[in-house]
Amino acid sequence: GQNIDQPTEMTATEGAIVQINCTYQTSGFNGLFWYQQHAGEAPTFLSYNVLDGLEEKGRFSSFLSRSKGYSYLLLKELQMKDSASYLCAAMDSNYQLIWGAGTKLIIKP
Amino acid sequence: GAVVSQHPSRVICKSGTSVKIECRSLDFQATTMFWYRQFPKKSLMLMATSNEGSKATYEQGVEKDKFLINHASLTLSTLTVTSAHPEDSSFYICSASAPGGSYNEQFFGPGTRLTVL
Repeated sequence: GQNIDQPTEMTATEGAIVQINCTYQTSGFNGLFWYQQHAGEAPTFLSYNVLDGLEEKGRFSSFLSRSKGYSYLLLKELQMKDSASYLCAAMDSNYQLIWGAGTKLIIKP
Repeated sequence: GAVVSQHPSRVICKSGTSVKIECRSLDFQATTMFWYRQFPKKSLMLMATSNEGSKATYEQGVEKDKFLINHASLTLSTLTVTSAHPEDSSFYICSASAPGGSYNEQFFGPGTRLTVL
């Protein structure tokens, strides 16, 4: 079956760095997405990886290893506003997104 | 960037009534729209996928007669929750995708919070 695993919750300190891991198993693969979702709001797009390697975008970076079925989202210089859930989603061969349950990130001062 | 709107953002209704939620792509033509529901502290659950001008494809376990989806134009899709019950209370989110670009990114609407009394 198709499955996405990511930690349920993580805690980090303002100004620090945090890495949120995601492993996936899908029927075919057309890319890995990361979304940010604040409580009560819809998800907003953060990143997309389809080739192996690191994609950097400001304070956020995303990494993909297709052979390992593994991705991570790296957040640097954490700010209080980064407190949110981070959703990992893999796109299968039918271009359908398979969603993880999300990682709730708590930032402490 | 691509913008998707949803209306209403919040609705409270009585049990047994029907509620219509609109999803619009404001600055692009959405060939495909997706409807999700999300329970508290849970991930998004895809309910159905709709392509303009054709019938929606519902996910297993989603009642098509209860959740009516219409995708009449390239910029508008509607979800009607018929004969709503308290267990239908949830956060409903639509997203839209368009052809072209390097990947099939989904652009999400702001969501609709439905509360059925």
